[in-house]
Amino acid sequence: EIVMTQSPATLSVSPGERVTLSCRASQSVSSNLAWYQQKPGQAPRLLIYGASTRATGIPARFSGSGSGTEFTLTISSLQSEDFAVYHCHQYIQWPPMYTFGQGTKLEIK
Amino acid sequence: QVQLVESGGGVVQPGRSLRLSCAASGFTFSSYGMHWVRQAPGKGLEWVAVISFDGSNKYYADSVKGRCTIYRDNSKNTLFMQMNSLRAEDTAVYYCAKSSGSYAPIDYWGQGALVTVSS
Repeated sequence: EIVMTQSPATLSVSPGERVTLSCRASQSVSSNLAWYQQKPGQAPRLLIYGASTRATGIPARFSGSGSGTEFTLTISSLQSEDFAVYHCHQYIQWPPMYTFGQGTKLEIK
Repeated sequence: QVQLVESGGGVVQPGRSLRLSCAASGFTFSSYGMHWVRQAPGKGLEWVAVISFDGSNKYYADSVKGRCTIYRDNSKNTLFMQMNSLRAEDTAVYYCAKSSGSYAPIDYWGQGALVTVSS
């Protein structure tokens, strides 16, 4: 099983700040990495797939980078609606054994 | 637009069974693989199972293998998960989710169904 590790677990930031979230895979997942945003009581929403491609309707302030085992999600200028939990997810394994990171919570400073 | 609506959650005693359903609309259901993903209270996401577009291939997480069965009815645009021998650690919100293709991420999620295993 590929283990996904996100850091930090919680990040306290102010609106307008730039923030970078990290995700590390225990072995290479190439670019088969997605990021999801989840707000309390809601289902996750796809933000980024293929490590760096924004999903439909996702604002340009969200960007993803990385390949292999190291990945980052950057939010260029935090808006109030961005305070949420962010999950990374690998989808390379075959047979499928998809795994997620434990999540990073963005909270208001 | 894509809609996934889960049903069948509830409170169940340890060792008992439960069947979850997911009604899909807004896309060609029979063309896409489908997943179940769960989230225990206050925890991260855990992938549970996936089924291919035609139901011919199914894969499970080790934590549910042998106790859960994923299946689908393409004529009714519905995904199912039969869960047997339930344990307290199966308590979670269960999400039905759509795959965007082979070797591709989940792109849409339902709102989830809460399963509580408790005596």
